[in-house]
Amino acid sequence: GAVVSQHPSWVICKSGTSVKIECRSLDFQATTMFWYRQFPKQSLMLMATSNEGSKATYEQGVEKDKFLINHASLTLSTLTVTSAHPEDSSFYICSARDGAGGGEQFFGPGTRLTVL
Amino acid sequence: QKEVEQDPGPLSVPEGAIVSLNCTYSNSAFQYFMWYRQYSRKGPELLMYTYSSGNKEDGRFTAQVDKSSKYISLFIRDSQPSDSATYLCAMSIRNAGNMLTFGGGTRLMVKP
Repeated sequence: GAVVSQHPSWVICKSGTSVKIECRSLDFQATTMFWYRQFPKQSLMLMATSNEGSKATYEQGVEKDKFLINHASLTLSTLTVTSAHPEDSSFYICSARDGAGGGEQFFGPGTRLTVL
Repeated sequence: QKEVEQDPGPLSVPEGAIVSLNCTYSNSAFQYFMWYRQYSRKGPELLMYTYSSGNKEDGRFTAQVDKSSKYISLFIRDSQPSDSATYLCAMSIRNAGNMLTFGGGTRLMVKP
């Protein structure tokens, strides 16, 4: 099946620093990637939709200047959490849509961010 | 009312039992239906993907979609302790770029 990787798998940072999370589709081209956030024992909350070569579309309530998304190629999207604060601590998960297939979304393993 | 409703559980069953997981939805525009399995601290794993009413079987898993009732189910036969996870239903409207709307997830525990 299609494989999506994320790096890093976990990160601990100090308040005020920026953190970059990478999402890669390893064996397919993803014209669209999605970024989600998940709090403990809750479902996934869509943050933004990222299309290759264009600006991301953010969901209501998500600050685009805080969560910078870049989708520079068909296999890579990055999420940068700028000036992170403890309330940004969460589990961030990306997914990639296989444009050549049936449109299924395949998820990465997630990145656990802890801001001290 | 949420667009997709899913009983959060936890659902506890003995090993070997048949498990039934369900979701209801309110938006008749949903065309594609998915079930994901998520282990703790891991990303969701796609189990089943359907786009029509009826049944789809894959090994021990059967997905059922009833669009007239706006109701989908996932059946797990001969459940194993390794099936213990949270199961998420998800749906999409094709023309919406396949943006997924998730249920809240059902936590399943299969006891040996």
